[in-house]
Amino acid sequence: KQEVTQIPAALSVPEGENLVLNCSFTDSAIYNLQWFRQDPGKGLTSLLLIQSSQREQTSGRLNASLDKSSGRSTLYIAASQPGDSATYLCAVSFLMDSNYQLIWGAGTKLIIKP
Amino acid sequence: DVKVTQSSRYLVKRTGEKVFLECVQDMDHENMFWYRQDPGLGLRLIYFSYDVKMKEKGDIPEGYSVSREKKERFSLILESASTNQTSMYLCASSSRRVGTEAFFGQGTRLTVV
Repeated sequence: KQEVTQIPAALSVPEGENLVLNCSFTDSAIYNLQWFRQDPGKGLTSLLLIQSSQREQTSGRLNASLDKSSGRSTLYIAASQPGDSATYLCAVSFLMDSNYQLIWGAGTKLIIKP
Repeated sequence: DVKVTQSSRYLVKRTGEKVFLECVQDMDHENMFWYRQDPGLGLRLIYFSYDVKMKEKGDIPEGYSVSREKKERFSLILESASTNQTSMYLCASSSRRVGTEAFFGQGTRLTVV
């Protein structure tokens, strides 16, 4: 059974630091992995999608990597800003019994201190 | 611009009421999902649908039902709302094509009193 784990559950860093959020999954037979951001009381925003054939994706100050064989993905945030404070979730997609499934991590709550 | 729209941002309902949460997507997506999100429990899948009139139970379907009469609309129904259904409800959609993204609505904060 596919399980997705995000460590740490919470992270607080000073503004300007570079940081890494981790996502691990137990079954490497995934189609893609997606990173989302959620602000308090709001819905989710898609940040980066990495296909299973890709190693990384970049968007602005964000870089997501994928190592399927080891079941790991990282989200790197460069030069963090207070506006980056949010909960970050990862989700993996895969096929099970001919149906598309999405399995979620519990998220990492990030606080950037001014 | 892709869009998943949930009918309400905030709802307050009384115990025992029948509650409808509506979700509409304009991307011609086959897959649609309803999740609830609670502190410390993360996102939990309630129901999902892979096609019109098709529905599958997720992890926590008890107390809920769904309806998908049209491809673009996926409704979550609380037959008799209870206080333990107070939560944030999130709708998502995705294409059936392998490797595509899931897109989410803005969420509905439901309070049952």
